[in-house]
Amino acid sequence: SQTIHQWPATLVQPVGSPLSLECTVEGTSNPNLYWYRQAAGRGLQLLFYSVGIGQISSEVPQNLSASRPQDRQFILSSKKLLLSDSGFYLCAWSVGLTSGGFTDTQYFGPGTRLTVL
Amino acid sequence: AQRVTQPEKLLSVFKGAPVELKCNYSYSGSPELFWYVQYSRQRLQLLLRHISRESIKGFTADLNKGETSFHLKKPFAQEEDSAMYYCALSGGSNYKLTFGKGTLLTVNP
Repeated sequence: SQTIHQWPATLVQPVGSPLSLECTVEGTSNPNLYWYRQAAGRGLQLLFYSVGIGQISSEVPQNLSASRPQDRQFILSSKKLLLSDSGFYLCAWSVGLTSGGFTDTQYFGPGTRLTVL
Repeated sequence: AQRVTQPEKLLSVFKGAPVELKCNYSYSGSPELFWYVQYSRQRLQLLLRHISRESIKGFTADLNKGETSFHLKKPFAQEEDSAMYYCALSGGSNYKLTFGKGTLLTVNP
């Protein structure tokens, strides 16, 4: 069966420090991968998505970047964190479209709580 | 542009009462609608989707294209239904989801 992992679970970083959050998926090949930020009162905001190795699409301009160095690995990074980067970051995967052409279910990881001080 | 509106941030009901979580969307094409749920200390997960027309855990949701709504309903709420509920929309074939801001449902004993 497929599983999705994220680490670390929690992270406290000073303003201006770099960031690297990792997400890996097991049990599937060539998944679509997604990074979301979940903020209280703001819901779930899609930050990046990837349909293949090296293919990254950014949804919102921000201080963050994403990379997909391997098929089942998705990394969220920043060179210099801002206070506004604090939040709960979720990684998700899906097969994209079902054989019937419908949007498939997205499966979410446990999340990383990032606090920037 | 795609937009999902969940007008209620918080919803509190008593056990056994009916519950309706509202969701309205804005999309010019033919949308796919979903409800995702996050129970305390658990991962966000799919509850139901409009194309399957299933009843999951007693919840149903009907897509009303005329009113651009996809409200989630359950006739008799249970305490274990307490959770954060997100409505989501996928437009076209781009397999991305646009989420609403969520509604925190509390079912009181």
